[in-house]
Amino acid sequence: LAKTTQPISMDSYEGQEVNITCSHNNIATNDYITWYQQFPSQGPRFIIQGYKTKVTNEVASLFIPADRKSSTLSLPRVSLSDTAVYYCLVGSHGSGNTGKLIFGQGTTLQVKP
Amino acid sequence: NAGVTQTPKFRVLKTGQSMTLLCAQDMNHEYMYWYRQDPGMGLRLIHYSVGEGTTAKGEVPDGYNVSRLKKQNFLLGLESAAPSQTSVYFCASSSRTGGSGANVLTFGAGSRLTVL
Repeated sequence: LAKTTQPISMDSYEGQEVNITCSHNNIATNDYITWYQQFPSQGPRFIIQGYKTKVTNEVASLFIPADRKSSTLSLPRVSLSDTAVYYCLVGSHGSGNTGKLIFGQGTTLQVKP
Repeated sequence: NAGVTQTPKFRVLKTGQSMTLLCAQDMNHEYMYWYRQDPGMGLRLIHYSVGEGTTAKGEVPDGYNVSRLKKQNFLLGLESAAPSQTSVYFCASSSRTGGSGANVLTFGAGSRLTVL
């Protein structure tokens, strides 16, 4: 199973771009990289997912280098409401995988006015 | 479309009591998971299931049992509750996306359990 490492915490100011990097050195060929956001007293919710290169949706971008040993979640122009914990999850349900999905410690993002 | 529903939302137990948390999903997902989250900590996998009738151990399975008799339901049982099991429990489900193996978890709102 791929182990993930993220910074414990990050601070930013409103309007800035925030980049959170996740390290996953032993990622498997079939593994996807998925990021989740969690607000206090709520379950995590899906933000973005990718396999390689760059993925962009309406809330974030995900950059994955060719070796796939790390990934970077980019949040453009953050606001106070982006203050949350962000988790990087690496795994898959593909052939040969058990479906076991282990979360890392997450990154607490604090956005200041 | 309810998604993932957890019951109960809150429960207080005395040490040694037993209880069952119910997770129900209406998305026809094959995979279901139980995680626990202690205050200020990350999510730890307790047990999971890759299909009806199957269960498997996660990172912290001791003190818990699970059952997946129906595809839409995943039950988490505590046979003899201990204060160390005070936590917020989250259920999640996912489905393999075609043949890609991609996993997107949908989480429930959580069940807050306090063991005195």
